[in-house]
Amino acid sequence: EAGVTQFPSHSVIEKGQTVTLRCDPISGHDNLYWYRRVMGKEIKFLLHFVKESKQDESGMPNNRFLAERTGGTYSTLKVQPAELEDSGVYFCASSQDAGHGETQYFGPGTRLLVL
Amino acid sequence: QKEVEQDPGPLSVPEGAIVSLNCTYSNSAFQYFMWYRQYSRKGPELLMYTYSSGNKEDGRFTAQVDKSSKYISLFIRDSQPSDSATYLCAGGGSYIPTFGRGTSLIVHP
Repeated sequence: EAGVTQFPSHSVIEKGQTVTLRCDPISGHDNLYWYRRVMGKEIKFLLHFVKESKQDESGMPNNRFLAERTGGTYSTLKVQPAELEDSGVYFCASSQDAGHGETQYFGPGTRLLVL
Repeated sequence: QKEVEQDPGPLSVPEGAIVSLNCTYSNSAFQYFMWYRQYSRKGPELLMYTYSSGNKEDGRFTAQVDKSSKYISLFIRDSQPSDSATYLCAGGGSYIPTFGRGTSLIVHP
């Protein structure tokens, strides 16, 4: 069974540009999560989808970030316009259900560098 | 104060050693605790899950939680070079984990 995949693996953009990250969850997983790790910091939660609905977006840093999950399958995270502090690794995870003890399976991450 | 504190290391041990990895946390609402293993250029992989205080053992790995002191530990017995990775502890009151920064472990032959 394929795991969580993310595209691209790396992205280098200039400040002010737009970048769109994509996540394909494990097939059949209704729950999809986005996390971010900036340099030297902890991995932090951004938001959670249940199918196509945003269940929790309390971790989204500001309105330059837009996440979508049309059709409840893959998800995109757009950063527009990108700022220097957006550099980091963006992880996507998916799970069948959401709750205590439910394993979230992480993708390999997208490494974003904003110059 | 960070919610989950973890020494980033690196921690270097010889093959076969017993490894002790530790975290402290500050949020009294945390009810469940996890250890993730992350290899270079990969995403975190859930290693151990513990609900509330106590011990949990899985093969060479033992997780301990002491809620009275807000202390989380992971022990690795008979460590192997393949255990070399970053180990992230996490706690949570809901299903969204709060991570520590991770400890880099190097097991040398």
